Amino acid sequence: QSALTQPASVSGSPGQSITISCTGTSSDVGGYNYVSWYQQHPGKAPRLMISDVSNRPSGVSNRFSGSKSGNTASLTISGLQAEDEADYYCSSYTSSSPVVFGGGTKLTVL
Amino acid sequence: EVQLVESGGGLVQPGRSLTLSCAASGFTFDDYAMHWVRQAPGKGLEWVSGLSWNSGDIGYADSVKGRFTISRDNAKNSLYLQMNSLRAEDTALYYCAKDRGYYLEYYFDYWGQGTLVTVSS
Repeated sequence: QSALTQPASVSGSPGQSITISCTGTSSDVGGYNYVSWYQQHPGKAPRLMISDVSNRPSGVSNRFSGSKSGNTASLTISGLQAEDEADYYCSSYTSSSPVVFGGGTKLTVL
Repeated sequence: EVQLVESGGGLVQPGRSLTLSCAASGFTFDDYAMHWVRQAPGKGLEWVSGLSWNSGDIGYADSVKGRFTISRDNAKNSLYLQMNSLRAEDTALYYCAKDRGYYLEYYFDYWGQGTLVTVSS
C-alpha cells in the first residue's frame, strides 16, 4: 500500500494560515471519513490533532481544522504560532491494508 | 494521566529475535485496542500491528506478517511485540499507541515515547 501524498514542506509567517494537503485514492481518503492528522515535534512522540476528517480531540486548539474533498484531505492551521513548527502526518483507513500514513510535511514558521 | 512506556529495544543481529513491551497506566487498559507503530530514522510513520481489547481481532502490516506477533496481558496492563527473523529494514523507533475504543479503529490518541530497535551485524 503506497503512502498518502503530502507536500514535503510548507511555511508561513506568524499569524498567517497554512494548509497541508493529503492526497490518496477512492480506496482510502476518498472512500472513508476516517482521516486523522498527527503533529510531531522533533524527538517527540506524535500527537493526534484531528480525527474523522474534521473532529478535534479535547485539548487541541481550535486553530487546527480538517476537511476533505474527493480524494484529498486538508489540515488548516490558522493564526500560525512558533510552537506549530513541527512535522505533520495524515492517515487514513484503507480497503486493502487497515491504515496508511502520509509521508509527512515539515511546517516551518518563518 | 495516560502513560505508555515502551521497553525492550536494542541492537540485534539480522535473523535474530527481540520482544518489545509497553506498560500502560492512567486508563482502563482492557477497554481499548492497542497498536504498535514504527518510524525508521528520519522517515515517516508506519503502522505495524494492532489488537482489540480482548485480542479477538488482530492485524499486521504486510511487511511484518508471519514474523511479528502482537499480544497483550490485560491483568498486567501490558502490550507486547514479539519480533522474529529481524531484518535491517526493521530498524526503527517503535511506538506503542492506544486506540480510542474496544475495537481496531486505527485512531492513535495516545503514544509512548518509543523504544529503538537497531538491526545490524
